[in-house]
Amino acid sequence: AQSVTQLGSHVSVSEGALVLLRCNYSSSVPPYLFWYVQYPNQGLQLLLKYTTGATLVKGINGFEAEFKKSETSFHLTKPSAHMSDAAEYFCAVSEAGGTSYGKLTFGQGTILTVHP
Amino acid sequence: DSGVTQTPKHLITATGQRVTLRCSPRSGDLSVYWYQQSLDQGLQFLIQYYNGEERAKGNILERFSAQQFPDLHSELNLSSLELGDSALYFCASSVQRSGNTIYFGEGSWLTVV
Repeated sequence: AQSVTQLGSHVSVSEGALVLLRCNYSSSVPPYLFWYVQYPNQGLQLLLKYTTGATLVKGINGFEAEFKKSETSFHLTKPSAHMSDAAEYFCAVSEAGGTSYGKLTFGQGTILTVHP
Repeated sequence: DSGVTQTPKHLITATGQRVTLRCSPRSGDLSVYWYQQSLDQGLQFLIQYYNGEERAKGNILERFSAQQFPDLHSELNLSSLELGDSALYFCASSVQRSGNTIYFGEGSWLTVV
C-alpha cells in the first residue's frame, strides 16, 4: 500500500522568499511521484513528476523537486515566491508498474499563502 | 485547459436523490479515473476504467457506480444521496502507461441538501 504525508497543512511565505513544501511517501515498490497545484475553484494542474532518471525534477512556474530515496521524500521548492503561487499543493504517488494501473494516492494538501 | 471535460459544473440536489456526473476524457486517452475531494477526506480515488473495463477500485461506496462507454466518455452515478456525499468530484484521464501523467478536469461540485 502507498501513502503520502505532507508536512504542514498551511505554509506562509513572503513574496520573494524561498518556498519549501514537504512530502514524504511510503511505497512497497519503486514509486512515481507527482506534485499538483489547485487554484481556487479550479481543477488539479500537474507541476512536475518523477518517474525514472534524474532525481532533481524541474517543473512549470519555476518549481522543482528532488527525489531522495533514502529519505523517502519528494519536497517541492521554488527559490522566489510570487503572489500568483498562492494555491493548494498536493503531492501524490503511484506505483511503477504493478497492478495499480497508474492511480494516484494523494497527500492531504498544503495551502501556500504568499504575503506582499 | 487540460482537455478533460466534466458536466455539470455545479449541482444541488436533495437527500435520497440520484445524480449522474459526466466526463469526456482527453482525445486519445483510454483510461478514466474518478476522484472525490472533500474537506474531511481529502482527495480519494474512487474508480478507474480502461477502454470500457473496470481496472481499479478505491474507496467507492456501494451506492455509487460508474461506467465507461464505447466512445470512452464516462459517467459516475451517485444514488440515495446523503449530506456527506457533498463534495467536488473530479474526473481524470491518461494514456495507459506506468508513470503517465494524469490530467484532471475542473470537477463537478455536488451539494446535497
